Amino acid sequence: QVQLHQWGAGVLKPSETLSLTCGVSDGSFSGYPWFWIRQPPGKGLEWIGRFTHTGSTDYNPSLKNRVTISIDTSKNHFSLEMTSVTAADTAMYYCATLRGAAADDGLDVWGQGTMVIVS
Amino acid sequence: ENVLTQSPTFQSGAPKETVTITCRASQSVGSSLHWYQQRPGQSPKLLIKYTSQSFSGVPSRFSGSGSGTDFTLTISGLEAEDAATYYCHQTSTLPQTFGQGTTVEIK
Repeated sequence: QVQLHQWGAGVLKPSETLSLTCGVSDGSFSGYPWFWIRQPPGKGLEWIGRFTHTGSTDYNPSLKNRVTISIDTSKNHFSLEMTSVTAADTAMYYCATLRGAAADDGLDVWGQGTMVIVS
Repeated sequence: ENVLTQSPTFQSGAPKETVTITCRASQSVGSSLHWYQQRPGQSPKLLIKYTSQSFSGVPSRFSGSGSGTDFTLTISGLEAEDAATYYCHQTSTLPQTFGQGTTVEIK
């Protein structure tokens, strides 16, 4: 079973760039999509975007101009960058993927989460 | 975007009771609707995929049904470990969206 382990800076100042990385335990990038989701304190889940199995990216329009998701197969990880952060970006950030056969399957593998505070 | 509205927001049930959570989509999602459980301090875990398919290892007391815009997650026979927040998630259209969550408390 693949595992995801994530890391990155936990405290940022307004206008800085958020940078998080998610390591993939078995290096199995080929054929799978890679997601980032966030959860503000005490609130629900928000889909940030994904790097698809075909190499394209999809982002939430509410964040599109500030977000980049990329993968580095040589390092067995994928990353999230979000520019110009504000206090509204304070949240627990999760990486996730799916092992199902279809691109619209449920997300069955999640990272442990990284709390990012913008202050 | 496709807005998912869950009800109720909070539900309390005694052990062995049956709890039902609904998720209504603003646009049809076909069967591309999934359910997650999130215990406090933990990452979400997939319970049900494609409306009614139980994910591997999930207890049989969890079941899902529905289609189009109206979906239901049922917990038949609550156990103490089911205290958590439950989210629906649609993958039919972009951006993918989640319901706002339903917190289940065990009396």
